[in-house]
Amino acid sequence: SYELTQPPSVSVSPGQTARITCSGDALPKQYAYWYQQKPGQAPVLVIYKDSERPSGIPERFSGSSSGTTVTLTISGVQAEDEADYYCQSADSSGTYEFGGGTKLTVL
Amino acid sequence: QVQLVQSGAEVKKPGASVKVSCKASGYTFTGYYMHWVRQAPGQGLEWMGRINPNSGGTNYAQKFQGRVTMTRDTSISTAYMELSRLRSDDTAVYYCARVLSPDPDGGVNYWGQGTLVTVSS
Repeated sequence: SYELTQPPSVSVSPGQTARITCSGDALPKQYAYWYQQKPGQAPVLVIYKDSERPSGIPERFSGSSSGTTVTLTISGVQAEDEADYYCQSADSSGTYEFGGGTKLTVL
Repeated sequence: QVQLVQSGAEVKKPGASVKVSCKASGYTFTGYYMHWVRQAPGQGLEWMGRINPNSGGTNYAQKFQGRVTMTRDTSISTAYMELSRLRSDDTAVYYCARVLSPDPDGGVNYWGQGTLVTVSS
């Protein structure tokens, strides 16, 4: 297995842009996925294959990749975006890993 | 619509085994990989493994190798996750989760409601 490293917390004011990073040695070769989880709820996929957005996810959510780091960007953050965010990726053998999670606080 | 309905909460003693079921409906069960993810109280998400319901092939996280078994019964569109030799730190909510599309690398987009497994003497 391998590690995916996320910052424990990110804070942003409403209307600003939040960027959450995820670092891992396998990321240049493997897709990344991002999940949003609110308290007491199951996670929701917000980005898949580095930058694709599932149907129903607002356009303010976007993903990008550069080298060993992938980034989830939330433009024009709203209060409802306050949640925990997890990155995920796989290795070449088909085993997956989650990052430790980032708590996004909307000030 | 896609639905994943999991079995109810379990209380187990250390050393015992637990088997959680996940009944799928609203789609072709054999067409989409199923993952299992757990979350201990106040902790992050932990990937346990996945199963290809068509072939029965599995991939397990190294941490759970030898303790976890994922199976499926295609006749009733149900996936199972069995965890043996339970310890107190296995106390968690266990989720089944289906991939977004037939592409096995598409991420998981449909989740069961979660099953709380409590391990306590």
